[in-house]
Amino acid sequence: DAKTTQPNSMESNEEEPVHLPCNHSTISGTDYIHWYRQLPSQGPEYVIHGLTSNVNNRMASLAIAEDRKSSTLILHRATLRDAAVYYCILRDSGAGSYQLTFGKGTKLSVIP
Amino acid sequence: NAGVMQNPRHLVRRRGQEARLRCSPMKGHSHVYWYRQLPEEGLKFMVYLQKENIIDESGMPKERFSAEFPKEGPSILRIQQVVRGDSAAYFCASSPTLLSGGVGTEAFFGQGTRLTVV
Repeated sequence: DAKTTQPNSMESNEEEPVHLPCNHSTISGTDYIHWYRQLPSQGPEYVIHGLTSNVNNRMASLAIAEDRKSSTLILHRATLRDAAVYYCILRDSGAGSYQLTFGKGTKLSVIP
Repeated sequence: NAGVMQNPRHLVRRRGQEARLRCSPMKGHSHVYWYRQLPEEGLKFMVYLQKENIIDESGMPKERFSAEFPKEGPSILRIQQVVRGDSAAYFCASSPTLLSGGVGTEAFFGQGTRLTVV
């Protein structure tokens, strides 16, 4: 399986944008890039996913490099509720890609 | 629409006892996945079930662990003769269709059961 690399931790001030990077240099052409986050003492929560084009939803934006070897999750205005571990996960487009491979993720701290 | 419900939230067992963890998927979801999260680790896939069938148990330890998803009622993850190394958070997820990487295929997770073996 293609692997992702993320920084162990990041800090952000409240109300400021946050850019969470993810490297996936061995990504295949059929891999989607998914992001989940896990708030303290909670289960993971889906955030966003994309294939080639940048994506926006109510939670975040996903910017995907042209060569797809890296991507960035963008939280436009960090709030204290966004403090969580963020996981970047690659998933094949084929049916049966049901196993989510969670790495250690990036622990985001938000400073009031 | 209630989310994925797991109970109990916290479970304490003595070494050698049995632990039963329950998961009720979201309404209309017939695909259930169990994950284990050891302290300071990422989540690891354990098993994937559909109603009355185990589809993939490649992540389950060979001994003492079993899972079921009966026609009626919640999915159950059962750990027999628990040991201290079984202490972890166990998460259940569900989906309405078989997950793939593409559009509309997110997994919905419960809040987990935190098992402590003393």
